[in-house]
Amino acid sequence: DVKVTQSSRYLVKRTGEKVFLECVQDMDHENMFWYRQDPGLGLRLIYFSYDVKMKEKGDIPEGYSVSREKKERFSLILESASTNQTSMYLCASSPPAGSGGTDTQYFGPGTRLTVL
Amino acid sequence: AQTVTQSQPEMSVQEAETVTLSCTYDTSESDYYLFWYKQPPSRQMILVIRQEAYKQQNATENRFSVNFQKAAKSFSLKISDSQLGDAAMYFCAYRSPEGFGNEKLTFGTGTRLTIIP
Repeated sequence: DVKVTQSSRYLVKRTGEKVFLECVQDMDHENMFWYRQDPGLGLRLIYFSYDVKMKEKGDIPEGYSVSREKKERFSLILESASTNQTSMYLCASSPPAGSGGTDTQYFGPGTRLTVL
Repeated sequence: AQTVTQSQPEMSVQEAETVTLSCTYDTSESDYYLFWYKQPPSRQMILVIRQEAYKQQNATENRFSVNFQKAAKSFSLKISDSQLGDAAMYFCAYRSPEGFGNEKLTFGTGTRLTIIP
């Protein structure tokens, strides 16, 4: 089974702190994604990556950056956390499109981040 | 840009009954993929069912089936013989045709399903 893990289930940070959220997948997937989940808004894509050192902005990249130095690991960085970044953050991975029906996304358990 | 709309924030169903969750989407693409994901309380999001737009036959996975109406841009999920373990938030999602850069999903706002014992 595909396993996507995230470094923390719950995280509390102070305004202005630099925050790192880590995601690791064990299926050698090319694609990795960071989403933000808020009540009434569903999941919104922050950033995604097709390969090591490659990244693309999603729908809400402002205030975030990402790093992908190794294929299995995709990090989300909040350079200076703000209260409006309090949210649930979900990481996902998938094989490339055209993988014959196996190109669905597999999700991690999520990190609930609170910024005080 | 594509949009996905789930107009039912909450639904409830009696155990063993059937429930249908609605999803509509807007796109100018002729080929695409649609998904239903399930997020149980405090647990990971998992794929429930997947539909390829070029296939006319509705997808089915055990008690879960979809009613895909391409012309109406509608993609509803039917859960038969509802079980307590079906209680979750359900998300409808859209993906563009296969191609570089098209792997990202566009999600609806979700429907919270409650199962009444």
